[in-house]
Amino acid sequence: GENVEQHPSTLSVQEGDSAVIKCTYSDSASNYFPWYKQELGKRPQLIIDIRSNVGEKKDQRIAVTLNKTAKHFSLHITETQPEDSAVYFCAVQETSYDKVIFGPGTSLSVIP
Amino acid sequence: DTGVSQDPRHKITKRGQNVTFRCDPISEHNRLYWYRQTLGQGPEFLTYFQNEAQLEKSRLLSDRFSAERPKGSFSTLEIQRTEQGDSAMYLCASSSTGAGNQPQHFGDGTRLSIL
Repeated sequence: GENVEQHPSTLSVQEGDSAVIKCTYSDSASNYFPWYKQELGKRPQLIIDIRSNVGEKKDQRIAVTLNKTAKHFSLHITETQPEDSAVYFCAVQETSYDKVIFGPGTSLSVIP
Repeated sequence: DTGVSQDPRHKITKRGQNVTFRCDPISEHNRLYWYRQTLGQGPEFLTYFQNEAQLEKSRLLSDRFSAERPKGSFSTLEIQRTEQGDSAMYLCASSSTGAGNQPQHFGDGTRLSIL
């Protein structure tokens, strides 16, 4: 089955700096890659997603890049703010009706 | 759009008791998923429905777990004879069936604590 790895497990950055979180997956058939943000005690919230026919997608301060050949994708957050502090999960989905497999998460702390 | 709602938010019960959770998906979504999340981990898939049909069950879902979605709208997840290891956050998500992969939207979850 699909295996998703995520690094780093914890990340601490100064406010205004950039943060990068990287994920790898094992199943080359996977074709949908969402990223979720989860604040303490709250639901996972979709922040950005990318499909396998796209190499990069950007939404304001958040961007995701995908390398299907190498089977890895990354989340980039620029100009970090304290409210970006949360746990971020990468995820992988094979087909439109398939379950989503989550990575183990990255705890991001943005220091004011 | 009221989002995915789950009830109750918290459940505390003694080991051996049965518990039932409810999930109401976003109204136009016909796919519904159940996940379990323990502290410090990502959500783990348990099962999912398309309309009223249960299409996949994880090996994590022992015989003590059962899920239903009788009319293709809300769903229930029942755990019988609860054990300490069942303590977790149980998350429900829903998605539509548009062209291609559709994002899953999560509820706030039900936190289960087994005494």
